[in-house]
Amino acid sequence: RKEVEQDPGPFNVPEGATVAFNCTYSNSASQSFFWYRQDCRKEPKLLMSVYSSGNEDGRFTAQLNRASQYISLLIRDSKLSDSATYLCVVNNQTGTASKLTFGTGTRLQVTL
Amino acid sequence: DGGITQSPKYLFRKEGQNVTLSCEQNLNHDAMYWYRQDPGQGLRLIYYSQIVNDFQKGDIAEGYSVSREKKESFPLTVTSAQKNPTAFYLCASSIIGRDTGELFFGEGSRLTVL
Repeated sequence: RKEVEQDPGPFNVPEGATVAFNCTYSNSASQSFFWYRQDCRKEPKLLMSVYSSGNEDGRFTAQLNRASQYISLLIRDSKLSDSATYLCVVNNQTGTASKLTFGTGTRLQVTL
Repeated sequence: DGGITQSPKYLFRKEGQNVTLSCEQNLNHDAMYWYRQDPGQGLRLIYYSQIVNDFQKGDIAEGYSVSREKKESFPLTVTSAQKNPTAFYLCASSIIGRDTGELFFGEGSRLTVL
């Protein structure tokens, strides 16, 4: 079983739609969780952290369910500029350095 | 502007040759990382370093070597022992501490072995 699993997609949605991505992780001792965004042939960039209580940043909402080892990302009112690959990331910290494990990503294509 | 600079952006090499990818950061971050990304796969950690003159193997260190002689610099050498070196290589840095989940990435280096 992969440490971090995501549906690769692609998810093709019209502008204005709401779309949700899910991710599961295998290490119950993982400490922290993140969503990164990666545009085609570019480097990944942090989108948002994921907290147990759930957190929102504008149109983006992230949720964590530790019991089920499940993370989600909800995007409301999708824009064309949201088209990208969304990477689910889990931190299994060793010492003082982050040891991030990346999922393979879920590709989103927002269309007119 | 602070950031991470990787060079070269594109690199072609013949089989059997070693090649060194450069990574420089001016963010004053203690930790630096090298990842490899292949199509359909997540980023995989090659090496990381938390402090000058010290580094640790990641999940796929075989066929690679690194050095950390300066805080700002973390070059990666892809040796001829690496069986499938064609990939997108990403260097990153972060602060040291708990929950340091934010990595700052360079723009990457695409290596193609002919």
